[in-house]
Amino acid sequence: AQSVTQLDSQVPVFEEAPVELRCNYSSSVSVYLFWYVQYPNQGLQLLLKYLSGSTLVKGINGFEAEFNKSQTSFHLRKPSVHISDTAEYFCAVNSKAAGNKLTFGGGTRVLVKP
Amino acid sequence: GAGVSQSPRYKVAKRGQDVALRCDPISGHVSLFWYQQALGQGPEFLTYFQNEAQLDKSGLPSDRFFAERPEGSVSTLKIQRTQQEDSAVYLCASSLALTVDNTDTQYFGPGTRLTVL
Repeated sequence: AQSVTQLDSQVPVFEEAPVELRCNYSSSVSVYLFWYVQYPNQGLQLLLKYLSGSTLVKGINGFEAEFNKSQTSFHLRKPSVHISDTAEYFCAVNSKAAGNKLTFGGGTRVLVKP
Repeated sequence: GAGVSQSPRYKVAKRGQDVALRCDPISGHVSLFWYQQALGQGPEFLTYFQNEAQLDKSGLPSDRFFAERPEGSVSTLKIQRTQQEDSAVYLCASSLALTVDNTDTQYFGPGTRLTVL
């Protein structure tokens, strides 16, 4: 079985400051990792994904994440946030054994303050 | 191009009523998924279709939940005899399924918010 833990339920941050959202996963097999963003009253939008290769993954809107196999982590970072980054962020895991279904963490709500 | 669409966007039902939620995937997408997102939580997998075949329904919480995709495009999630605990946002996602190793991006619709009174 696979699971995802997002350690912070809420992260307040000032505009133009950096932000890091933490994600840890557990799985007994090789995994694929995803970060999605959900704006109010909208569906989830893919920010980035790690499938294989380079452990540093760059996504849309200036976000990046680093896969750390030894620490089973996939933390999301942005060096300078904008007001428009206020949203909920979900980390998710998939694997060949999981049969296509994504397993999501509980989400981290980012509130960017001016 | 058009993304995944879902209807209705909001549904209020009295306890015991049956509801039907519709999902229109992106044209040409082979795979279709349903997820349930309770308030303040992450989405949880319900069921998965490849074309018209329902390959995984392990996440359906009870036999009151039923999903179909008869022609391999539009899908309907039906909930019979709704209960208050069914209140949630129901998300639909689709993917091309070009790869065989589950790496395709899933594209999500805006969801249907179901409130059971």
